[in-house]
Amino acid sequence: ETGVTQTPRHLVMGMTNKKSLKCEQHLGHNAMYWYKQSAKKPLELMFVYSLEERVENNSVPSRFSPECPNSSHLFLHLHTLQPEDSALYLCASSQEANRLVAGQFFGPGTRLTVL
Amino acid sequence: DQQVKQNSPSLSVQEGRISILNCDYTNSMFDYFLWYKKYPAEGPTFLISISSIKDKNEDGRFTVFLNKSAKHLSLHIVPSQPGDSAVYFCAASVNSGNTPLVFGKGTRLSVIA
Repeated sequence: ETGVTQTPRHLVMGMTNKKSLKCEQHLGHNAMYWYKQSAKKPLELMFVYSLEERVENNSVPSRFSPECPNSSHLFLHLHTLQPEDSALYLCASSQEANRLVAGQFFGPGTRLTVL
Repeated sequence: DQQVKQNSPSLSVQEGRISILNCDYTNSMFDYFLWYKKYPAEGPTFLISISSIKDKNEDGRFTVFLNKSAKHLSLHIVPSQPGDSAVYFCAASVNSGNTPLVFGKGTRLSVIA
């Protein structure tokens, strides 16, 4: 596997469910990100992890809980979501020193639907 | 309030002609700009970037122009090819090391053969 992978690619869940999104990067990067892309809205940064420590949290509701066990893996744990949380969730990674020069490398995303 | 704006949601261009995608920003502290391209069912991929110390950066068929006084940048694709059909996102950042990228809503480019 190369690049940034995300599983599952599609997820449908009820408001009372608990689920997790997984991201894995095979690029040797040390920073990882979760973004949310809602319809007709810009990409919104949710969380940033650098060297496995969270450095950014843009006031995301607590029903989203990230976990970064090591520099290659990133999870987003979901519980008691709302229908308005339905969106495409994108994971990205970068080499911290090159974060802006090379840009971030994105995974294909998980299309989440909350019923 | 959106800090990065892509006011054209879509653009259609004939194959072989020039595609010009525009992006405006409001935060004068932004000093690094990137363009990403996104195909359906894939994540965005980095295309080209420009620092505010430059007004032009070229990479093959892709050129980004930056007009700091107008807070405007544009991406030129010449010649356009059908494979360029995708959604293009403009992103900006303050280059302080840990400042996150701020994205526009994207422009869908369709290159017609």
